[in-house]
Amino acid sequence: GAGVSQTPSNKVTEKGKYVELRCDPISGHTALYWYRQSLGQGPEFLIYFQGTGAADDSGLPNDRFFAVRPEGSVSTLKIQRTERGDSAVYLCASSVPYGGQDTQYFGPGTRLTVL
Amino acid sequence: AQSVAQPEDQVNVAEGNPLTVKCTYSVSGNPYLFWYVQYPNRGLQFLLKYITGDNLVKGSYGFEAEFNKSQTSFHLKKPSALVSDSALYFCAVRPRGSGGYQKVTFGTGTKLQVIP
Repeated sequence: GAGVSQTPSNKVTEKGKYVELRCDPISGHTALYWYRQSLGQGPEFLIYFQGTGAADDSGLPNDRFFAVRPEGSVSTLKIQRTERGDSAVYLCASSVPYGGQDTQYFGPGTRLTVL
Repeated sequence: AQSVAQPEDQVNVAEGNPLTVKCTYSVSGNPYLFWYVQYPNRGLQFLLKYITGDNLVKGSYGFEAEFNKSQTSFHLKKPSALVSDSALYFCAVRPRGSGGYQKVTFGTGTKLQVIP
């Protein structure tokens, strides 16, 4: 079946611009996660959705970052006033929650470059 | 706070030899433990996880991992390495919560290079 998809695969923007990154999870997965992966690092948690609501957004670095999942499926990560330090690969994952045992399945990521 | 350590940035092994990629963790209580592999310009692919029971967990592509509670380790192993195993490997830990969401924390990754 179809896995997690993310668009665009690459995004180049200028400092100060607004960007949106999209994630389409595996069908039926109610849990959705966003991570940020910087060069040479592991994925760093940003936000977790259970259904339509953000159950944990403690990983969002500041108020320039925001994410939505209005219908409990597709999610959009929004970054305002981008900074060069936002350059990273943004990964999305989804799962069927099962008391923490659930396996998160990752998309291919969006590589964001802020010039 | 939970943490994961992958002490080796890179592991080199000859094709056909056994491989080990090390992982140690720090977390309150008993954790769930995961290994993922990442190929260039790809997302993370799930390899295996430890939930409970047998300390030796078998996963995809012939990989296995051994949970050692006393050493708080979860090393990834394979009896015979293939060149195609060359990739970046991530260990991850998730605390067992009494209820509610628990975050997954990833290590910094170990690059495995299998030499023909």
